[in-house]
Amino acid sequence: ILNVEQSPQSLHVQEGDSTNFTCSFPSSNFYALHWYRWETAKSPEALFVMTLNGDEKKKGRISATLNTKEGYSYLYIKGSQPEDSATYLCAPNTGNQFYFGTGTSLTVIP
Amino acid sequence: DADVTQTPRNRITKTGKRIMLECSQTKGHDRMYWYRQDPGLGLRLIYYSFDVKDINKGEISDGYSVSRQAQAKFSLSLESAIPNQTALYFCATSVAGLNTGELFFGEGSRLTVL
Repeated sequence: ILNVEQSPQSLHVQEGDSTNFTCSFPSSNFYALHWYRWETAKSPEALFVMTLNGDEKKKGRISATLNTKEGYSYLYIKGSQPEDSATYLCAPNTGNQFYFGTGTSLTVIP
Repeated sequence: DADVTQTPRNRITKTGKRIMLECSQTKGHDRMYWYRQDPGLGLRLIYYSFDVKDINKGEISDGYSVSRQAQAKFSLSLESAIPNQTALYFCATSVAGLNTGELFFGEGSRLTVL
C-alpha cells in the first residue's frame, strides 16, 4: 500500500484566481503519476499521466509538474472558472495498481 | 451510451443479503478494476483482473468476491452485506500491457446497506 497525500483537502477561490495543489507519494517503485478530475455526480476522468522526472503537462488553463526524486506533483489552474469546480485526485501507478489520494476539492466562486 | 456501464446505479439492501454489482465495457480493454469510495478516504481497490483468467485481491477484498465472465464483464459480489459496506463503488478499465495507461471509470453504483 502506498501512502499518497494531497493538500489542501479543500479550497475555495474566486473566479479568476490562480491556484495550485500538491500530491506527495513515495518515490520508489514508481511507473507513472496520474491526475484525475472528478465532478460531482460524474465519474473521475483522466487529466494527465506523467512518467519522467521533470515532466510538465498542460491542458488549457490546467498544468501539472512531476518530481519523482522527491516524490511530489503539483497541479496548477490559471484563472479559475466555476466549471473548474471539482475534486482533483492524484494516483501513482506502481505497475499493477493505482493508489489514490483523498483528493483536493476545489470550489470556484463566481 | 457510456463505454463502462455499471448496474445497478443505486441499491438499498438489508444486512445479510447477497448483492451483485455488474460492470460491462465496450472499450476492448483487458484490465478491469473495482474500487470503493468512502467520504474522507481515497478510492480503494477491492479486486482487479488483467484478463479473463486473472483475478487479484486489492487493498480491501475481505467480504467481497468477483467474477470475470468475459473480457467485457466483471462483477462484484457481496455475499452477506453489512452496513460498513455502504459506499460508492466504481468499476474501471485500462489498456493491457501499458502501465502508464489511464483508468476509464463507470458512472458508479451507490450501495446502502441497512
